[in-house]
Amino acid sequence: SQQGEEDPQALSIQEGENATMNCSYKTSINNLQWYRQNSGRGLVHLILIRSNEREKHSGRLRVTLDTSKKSSSLLITASRAADTASYFCATDAVSGGSYIPTFGRGTSLIVHP
Amino acid sequence: DTGVSQDPRHKITKRGQNVTFRCDPISEHNRLYWYRQTLGQGPEFLTYFQNEAQLEKSRLLSDRFSAERPKGSFSTLEIQRTEQGDSAMYLCASSRVSTGTTNEKLFFGSGTQLSVL
Repeated sequence: SQQGEEDPQALSIQEGENATMNCSYKTSINNLQWYRQNSGRGLVHLILIRSNEREKHSGRLRVTLDTSKKSSSLLITASRAADTASYFCATDAVSGGSYIPTFGRGTSLIVHP
Repeated sequence: DTGVSQDPRHKITKRGQNVTFRCDPISEHNRLYWYRQTLGQGPEFLTYFQNEAQLEKSRLLSDRFSAERPKGSFSTLEIQRTEQGDSAMYLCASSRVSTGTTNEKLFFGSGTQLSVL
């Protein structure tokens, strides 16, 4: 099944630095989403970017999408210790006649205070 | 909006026992998903419902897994004859999808952590 793959698997930075995570996928998509997960909790939606969009911003988050390279990046600017979490990209995969959000393995981000 | 609720939060069971998890989605959401997540991995899709109809169940891990959403509101996921390999976090998510749209934002519950001894 189609699945995004995040890179790097783990990222460790100091508070105040920027964090960049990448997601690559295999086939054409309608949209791509980024989610965040704190340890032992459910996922929280961060941002959705449509296939006809190239860049989107939400607060300290910036997401880009390059459909020609089948890749997306999530940039968190001026990171905080509270940004420590796992981050997942989700692409839509056809299943049962509908598009199902399908997740990659995630990037584990640690922000040191 | 009380969010997606899952019960129980934790379940410890012995191998061979049956377990059932419940998910209460956001009330106006017509779509409900079940995912499984193991340590260090992303959520793995299991099945989903549009209202009370289960539209995809081929990704359920084995015939020991079954799910229902009898009245298009809450859903249950049952695992029969549990095995140690079933130990994982089981996540429920809901969304509101309009006809013809492919853009949907999922709202997740906190999950049920299953440990099979």
